[in-house]
Amino acid sequence: GNSVTQMEGPVTLSEEAFLTINCTYTATGYPSLFWYVQYPGEGLQLLLKATKADDKGSNKGFEATYRKETTSFHLEKGSVQVSDSAVYFCALSDRSSNTGKLIFGQGTTLQVKP
Amino acid sequence: DTAVSQTPKYLVTQMGNDKSIKCEQNLGHDTMYWYKQDSKKFLKIMFSYNNKELIINETVPNRFSPKSPDKAHLNLHINSLELGDSAVYFCASTSAGGYTDTQYFGPGTRLTVL
Repeated sequence: GNSVTQMEGPVTLSEEAFLTINCTYTATGYPSLFWYVQYPGEGLQLLLKATKADDKGSNKGFEATYRKETTSFHLEKGSVQVSDSAVYFCALSDRSSNTGKLIFGQGTTLQVKP
Repeated sequence: DTAVSQTPKYLVTQMGNDKSIKCEQNLGHDTMYWYKQDSKKFLKIMFSYNNKELIINETVPNRFSPKSPDKAHLNLHINSLELGDSAVYFCASTSAGGYTDTQYFGPGTRLTVL
């Protein structure tokens, strides 16, 4: 079945450090891939997405590239801020069923210290 | 204006009780979802409706019953609450429910069963 695996957290970084959160997936066919972010006490919001191989999603300084050959969608940011502290979820949506159902990774907590 | 709203935000109740959570979206979307987030922050789809029609029904105890009176509303009724039902429940909506669509999440309802 379809699944998403994220790197274990928590990840603790100093402000202005480089961020990578690894995400790999297993899917039949070519799903759409998403990164959602959950700030403390809030619901999830879309950070970025990519709907086909080699697409790069980007938003607010974050980037992720859909790599079909390695079945990965790693999240990166060149210089994190304290305000980036949140839980980050990688997710996929399966093309074949096309119901929009999201399958999430386990989430990675990021803490950025001043 | 709140795009996806849920009521109540917090719900504390005793085992064996019946409770409902309401969700409303003002985005004009056709598809709505319920997700459950457990204490480890893992998110799992429960149900989805498209234009008042049930399209996803994951392996959820039949004590959980979704109802969609119209496409802007999706409610979740839970009978005979158990300790294991304690979680945060998120409602989400999307325009057509396709595999490339962005989902918009509500703020969540934290359910605590004592």
